[in-house]
Amino acid sequence: GAVVSQHPSWVICKSGTSVKIECRSLDFQATTMFWYRQFPKQSLMLMATSNEGSKATYEQGVEKDKFLINHASLTLSTLTVTSAHPEDSSFYICSARDLGEGITYEQYFGPGTRLTVT
Amino acid sequence: GNSVTQMEGPVTLSEEAFLTINCTYTATGYPSLFWYVQYPGEGLQLLLKATKADDKGSNKGFEATYRKETTSFHLEKGSVQVSDSAVYFCALSDRGGSNYKLTFGKGTLLTVNP
Repeated sequence: GAVVSQHPSWVICKSGTSVKIECRSLDFQATTMFWYRQFPKQSLMLMATSNEGSKATYEQGVEKDKFLINHASLTLSTLTVTSAHPEDSSFYICSARDLGEGITYEQYFGPGTRLTVT
Repeated sequence: GNSVTQMEGPVTLSEEAFLTINCTYTATGYPSLFWYVQYPGEGLQLLLKATKADDKGSNKGFEATYRKETTSFHLEKGSVQVSDSAVYFCALSDRGGSNYKLTFGKGTLLTVNP
């Protein structure tokens, strides 16, 4: 149980184009999903917190107009990187909290999406 | 703000060696503490957790004890295996916010040789 998937697992796009990454909770409902960015040999940096049916909360320094997050249902959140540039190349990871677990601090992580902007 | 500092790697051990990866934290209030593991090509998996002082989390032979007095949560395993090769992340969750955001350490790459 508690499986989170991401699609695509890797994507290459040209500079100036937009890319959408999907995060799905497969066997549970998630009111809250998180989007992280991981640079090579570095830790995960929280980009934003996404709550179903409301606007995402972005961390300081993260451009909300560049990284569009939509959490339209209890099982799906999307991250769209708009007008991508080479510096946006990174490993993007999502996680989800299980609605049914009540007060729990555990997040279930997706396998990540490798984005390369050429 | 919250922060997690963990031992920098990489760490290379022989099979059956003893493992310690140090982790200390700074937080307001009483955070929950976690160790996550990331195997090559996979997402992060929760390895163990502790939600209050003196709690010991354990899983798959790994252990870590929540030490409030030293603000530490060191990861240990008595006898590592080649299959334990992965990146290990120490993390804390701030109970103050309803979303329970995680703050991660930088990760420690462990390589276990046969």
